Amino acid sequence: GAVVSQHPSWVICKSGTSVKIECRSLDFQATTMFWYRQFPKQSLMLMATSNEGSKATYEQGVEKDKFLINHASLTLSTLTVTSAHPEDSSFYICSARAPWRGGGTDTQYFGPGTRLTVL
Amino acid sequence: GIQVEQSPPDLILQEGANSTLRCNFSDSVNNLQWFHQNPWGQLINLFYIPSGTKQNGRLSATTVATERYSLLYISSSQTTDSGVYFCAVRKAAGNKLTFGGGTRVLVKP
Repeated sequence: GAVVSQHPSWVICKSGTSVKIECRSLDFQATTMFWYRQFPKQSLMLMATSNEGSKATYEQGVEKDKFLINHASLTLSTLTVTSAHPEDSSFYICSARAPWRGGGTDTQYFGPGTRLTVL
Repeated sequence: GIQVEQSPPDLILQEGANSTLRCNFSDSVNNLQWFHQNPWGQLINLFYIPSGTKQNGRLSATTVATERYSLLYISSSQTTDSGVYFCAVRKAAGNKLTFGGGTRVLVKP
């Protein structure tokens, strides 16, 4: 249980184009999802918290207009990198909160990540 | 915000060795998780352990919440244990999971 999927797993795009990444909770409903960014050999940095049916909450320093987040349903959140540039190249990981293996306590499960390369 | 520090940053082990990874955090937490990030980038949940001790096969973890640290033990390490181990915490009444810098583990055959 508590499986999170991401699509695509990797994408290469030209500078100036927009890229959409999907994050799905496959076997549970997630009112809250999270988007992280990870540079090589570094830790995960939280970009934003995605709330179903409302606007995302962005961390300080993250451009809202650059990274558009939509949480349209209880099982789907999307991250759109608009007008991508080479510095946006990174590993993007989504996460969703779910009970810990059927228990009553919420914990976070992570998708497999999307590797974005902007040429 | 809450600070999370992991040590050591890098660890090289011979297959079969035991090791201890440490996670220190700067504030009270109601959620502490250990993850293993495999070479493909997937984060795998190892433990949800805001306090106490848990064991799962060759891995075990202990969190002493009053002293604000957690330990992850790897026994009889195998090459498949290689990867990065992250500790992440959430403050009491908070919403965000904050990650430590990770411990990069390489198990040599």
